[in-house]
Amino acid sequence: DSGVTQTPKHLITATGQRVTLRCSPRSGDLSVYWYQQSLDQGLQFLIQYYNGEERAKGNILERFSAQQFPDLHSELNLSSLELGDSALYFCASSPTWSSGSKNEQFFGPGTRLTVL
Amino acid sequence: GENVEQHPSTLSVQEGDSAVIKCTYSDSASNYFPWYKQELGKRPQLIIDIRSNVGEKKDQRIAVTLNKTAKHFSLHITETQPEDSAVYFCAAPGANNLFFGTGTRLTVIP
Repeated sequence: DSGVTQTPKHLITATGQRVTLRCSPRSGDLSVYWYQQSLDQGLQFLIQYYNGEERAKGNILERFSAQQFPDLHSELNLSSLELGDSALYFCASSPTWSSGSKNEQFFGPGTRLTVL
Repeated sequence: GENVEQHPSTLSVQEGDSAVIKCTYSDSASNYFPWYKQELGKRPQLIIDIRSNVGEKKDQRIAVTLNKTAKHFSLHITETQPEDSAVYFCAAPGANNLFFGTGTRLTVIP
């Protein structure tokens, strides 16, 4: 168990709908990262938050948005869902982010999203 | 940003043989190189990492080597076992996040 929690574990919805995925980082970790992993694909970095502020953006669609709250949990919002959005969505956390630190990321168990 | 390439994409070995997975990176300032193992349907888990001030690090049957001049690093698994079967990802740091390789699916044949 990495200490990172994600809910829900599974989510089945229809095209055009909107869903929210939730992540709670490890105690003390300030950085949260979101990744998308489609079937048999690698880890696509979506977005990073650090202590409540957006820090970096990857290949995140405009239909997707995220935020990190004062208690450091994070939510990823996916709207106008398409079939191709079906994937595993992972959240990861790390204590901080600086060139001098180890920067190890701890992954949550993931949310499997199925869009029908 | 950082560009990480990983080879091979699939690798099959007989139980007891060694497996080697290689990655290259583009940013010469990168200083931390982790390897993650992902079993089917599970989360990626860190199995070993190396910082740029050393050339090799070992942990039981796994080892990672780093060649900063050539900008490549490799994962070595010796005496492979069926439970080593998984997808392995290398990564290198960018300014604010890790850039992951595309993954290697390792199959250990009993």
